[in-house]
Amino acid sequence: EADIYQTPRYLVIGTGKKITLECSQTMGHDKMYWYQQDPGMELHLIHYSYGVNSTEKGDLSSESTVSRIRTEHFPLTLESARPSHTSQYLCASSEWPASREQFFGPGTRLTVL
Amino acid sequence: GENVEQHPSTLSVQEGDSAVIKCTYSDSASNYFPWYKQELGKRPQLIIDIRSNVGEKKDQRIAVTLNKTAKHFSLHITETQPEDSAVYFCAAVSNTGNQFYFGTGTSLTVIP
Repeated sequence: EADIYQTPRYLVIGTGKKITLECSQTMGHDKMYWYQQDPGMELHLIHYSYGVNSTEKGDLSSESTVSRIRTEHFPLTLESARPSHTSQYLCASSEWPASREQFFGPGTRLTVL
Repeated sequence: GENVEQHPSTLSVQEGDSAVIKCTYSDSASNYFPWYKQELGKRPQLIIDIRSNVGEKKDQRIAVTLNKTAKHFSLHITETQPEDSAVYFCAAVSNTGNQFYFGTGTSLTVIP
């Protein structure tokens, strides 16, 4: 079944650690996104990609980086986690360039101690 | 760039009443307007959308209206039920590149 998958679903980690949040989609979509969202609050776009080898920064200043080596895979890396990074991270994908629905993954809830 | 404003931020209604959430946008190039529902602890999911060539769209108890001239669109939920309780997000999508601009969300509570 076509879907978006995120791992891990929950992560508790200490300050200063490097972490990578995984996102994979089997939707066949070119465009992918990463959002940061505190529970029930606004969605903040932190990175997006139009396709392989394309990465763009979003509106929210972030100390994270992304890569897009394969169409279906869009990992997010935090080089040095801080308590301010504690949040939920949502991956999403959509067709491009047509204006169509954006599909979300289940999210990774990150806690940095 | 696009700027989407959403009101109200919180809304409480009695079960069976109607709920209305309003959004405005700034960029006349936006041509696609989806609404997402996010239940507690779950991912946002599309519930209804409308394109700029249509003024109204309905799906059972939910409807969306679009006024292109005034640059505003609204979500209407009739005969609300407790399972409608969630956070609702509107979005405006540009006609180039499928760039999504989300509103700040409305937390809807339906009181049994």
